[in-house]
Amino acid sequence: RKEVEQDPGPFNVPEGATVAFNCTYSNSASQSFFWYRQDCRKEPKLLMSVYSSGNEDGRFTAQLNRASQYISLLIRDSKLSDSATYLCAVTLGGYNKLIFGAGTRLAVHP
Amino acid sequence: SAVISQKPSRDICQRGTSLTIQCQVDSQVTMMFWYRQQPGQSLTLIATANQGSEATYESGFVIDKFPISRPNLTFSTLTVSNMSPEDSSIYLCSVDGGLNTEAFFGQGTRLTVV
Repeated sequence: RKEVEQDPGPFNVPEGATVAFNCTYSNSASQSFFWYRQDCRKEPKLLMSVYSSGNEDGRFTAQLNRASQYISLLIRDSKLSDSATYLCAVTLGGYNKLIFGAGTRLAVHP
Repeated sequence: SAVISQKPSRDICQRGTSLTIQCQVDSQVTMMFWYRQQPGQSLTLIATANQGSEATYESGFVIDKFPISRPNLTFSTLTVSNMSPEDSSIYLCSVDGGLNTEAFFGQGTRLTVV
């Protein structure tokens, strides 16, 4: 079993749609959780950190469920500019050795 | 945040040769990480580079194939040795922003082996 698994995608949605991505992790000792965004031919950039209490940043909401070992990302009112690959990542231990999921590709169309 | 300069940004190399990728950070960092992203795939950690000690390699990666240097707290190199077409990939360096904080990435090196 992979350490971090994501919805394979791709997700093709119209502008204005709400889309949700899920990600599960296998190691219960995982400490930190992140969603990264990667545009084509670019390096990943942090979208959001994910906290147990959940967190929201504008149209983006991230949640963590430690009991079930999954994290989620909700994007509301999708924009064309949201088209990208979304990678979930977890860390083990006290330093940022990131383990990435395979990524979910999102395509928002007019 | 950290600003990371990675070079070269891309290269086309002959099989059997080696390429050294450099990663320069604008501040001192404890840990640096090297990832590989094969076409259409996610990022896979190759190794963790600590200053003053040998790099720690992940399963499936060995020092002879991917030697790493970490001469100081702002610089690291990754060498892809004896390259084959299967090594064609994007290689990214990364640094941590601190305990349980986000990681920052270099722009990546797009390697094509012919």
